[in-house]
Amino acid sequence: DAKTTQPNSMESNEEEPVHLPCNHSTISGTDYIHWYRQLPSQGPEYVIHGLTSNVNNRMASLAIAEDRKSSTLILHRATLRDAAVYYCIRSGGSYIPTFGRGTSLIVHP
Amino acid sequence: NAGVTQTPKFQVLKTGQSMTLQCAQDMNHNSMYWYRQDPGMGLRLIYYSASEGTTDKGEVPNGYNVSRLNKREFSLRLESAAPSQTSVYFCASSEYRPPYEQYFGPGTRLTVT
Repeated sequence: DAKTTQPNSMESNEEEPVHLPCNHSTISGTDYIHWYRQLPSQGPEYVIHGLTSNVNNRMASLAIAEDRKSSTLILHRATLRDAAVYYCIRSGGSYIPTFGRGTSLIVHP
Repeated sequence: NAGVTQTPKFQVLKTGQSMTLQCAQDMNHNSMYWYRQDPGMGLRLIYYSASEGTTDKGEVPNGYNVSRLNKREFSLRLESAAPSQTSVYFCASSEYRPPYEQYFGPGTRLTVT
């Protein structure tokens, strides 16, 4: 049970923004929302995390719904190097991370 | 900083052979994890160690053992390899406090024939 729901795949064109959704309707008040991405033949890498407020860093932005039951990872200008599998996971309490299959992002030149 | 390192990068075993996958981190993290990833699948947690001296089973522990040798090192042992254990194995580490941001190693590709 991944405890989050993501679309299997999404497509984007290079230079365009990408919005990757994640549903976490059973999230508890102390759970953080994390996003990782996995490039082909590499280990996952941390992208961003948040608790209640929207967050920005050099890689992406994270928009969290007011009820915290969903979130969206925003890549402001997709590049070919952003083609990867993106995982949305929850953490909190006694942290036992669970990764689902994630969203495979395809970026077209 | 090297981050999380894993050895070996590749390994081929025959059914019934044993081997140990090594993992080390230099970030002074308390927690370490072992995952496996089968083709087209997400990561599944095998074992984790919340802190030095403790280990716990994850989602798919059968056929594996682990040792938390010290704060830096966490090894995964296959006592009698089976073809079903053909996979890519990732080690990760994190602090044992929120937000539990994890850092992953490059992986070990294991084939059991």
